[in-house]
Amino acid sequence: GEDVEQSLFLSVREGDSSVINCTYTDSSSTYLYWYKQEPGAGLQLLTYIFSNMDMKQDQRLTVLLNKKDKHLSLRIADTQTGDSAIYFCAESRGDYKLSFGAGTTVTVRA
Amino acid sequence: GEEVAQTPKHLVRGEGQKAKLYCAPIKGHSYVFWYQQVLKNEFKFLISFQNENVFDETGMPKERFSAKCLPNSPCSLEIQATKLEDSAVYFCASSQSDRGGGYTFGSGTRLTVV
Repeated sequence: GEDVEQSLFLSVREGDSSVINCTYTDSSSTYLYWYKQEPGAGLQLLTYIFSNMDMKQDQRLTVLLNKKDKHLSLRIADTQTGDSAIYFCAESRGDYKLSFGAGTTVTVRA
Repeated sequence: GEEVAQTPKHLVRGEGQKAKLYCAPIKGHSYVFWYQQVLKNEFKFLISFQNENVFDETGMPKERFSAKCLPNSPCSLEIQATKLEDSAVYFCASSQSDRGGGYTFGSGTRLTVV
């Protein structure tokens, strides 16, 4: 959606770190999410961050939130071929509905 | 169960026919959401329920789309007189609360209108 923007493609070498960026426009966003979608599959919630946090780490995943710039990023350490997928940034506000970005297609090359 | 179950996985309908999609939310989740994902990965919110009550239907094209969540039955999304532009993947999600914490999505129903 136009309220959430992401770059469309990212190519990364296996073993390197991937960084996927997202910007949003609504300062009243309360939660921000990262979802993963593999071909033909549903959306898998990877992680989420509350808007009063600036960082969250979960194993290979690190989420950074810059609320001033309305910028969210997802870093995947030691990227593997199984990480190839489309990654969606999403935000919810007081009305809880999710607004999604257009998705970033991550391709991991050997 | 711990997954949101959507059926069928694939549905093909001729233009003008009816389509009905089903969603069984995770047990204990009070909120159910329907989203439509069209070709360019764009997600569109359709409708949400709190138990069997409509919570927000601002995304529903009301002329042809309807949805229900009845007690002890899967939720359903019905499209009367399908059009070519209804071709999409329809995702259902459920949540314990109406905000925060993430929603669990089903694997979707791919509707193709020919």
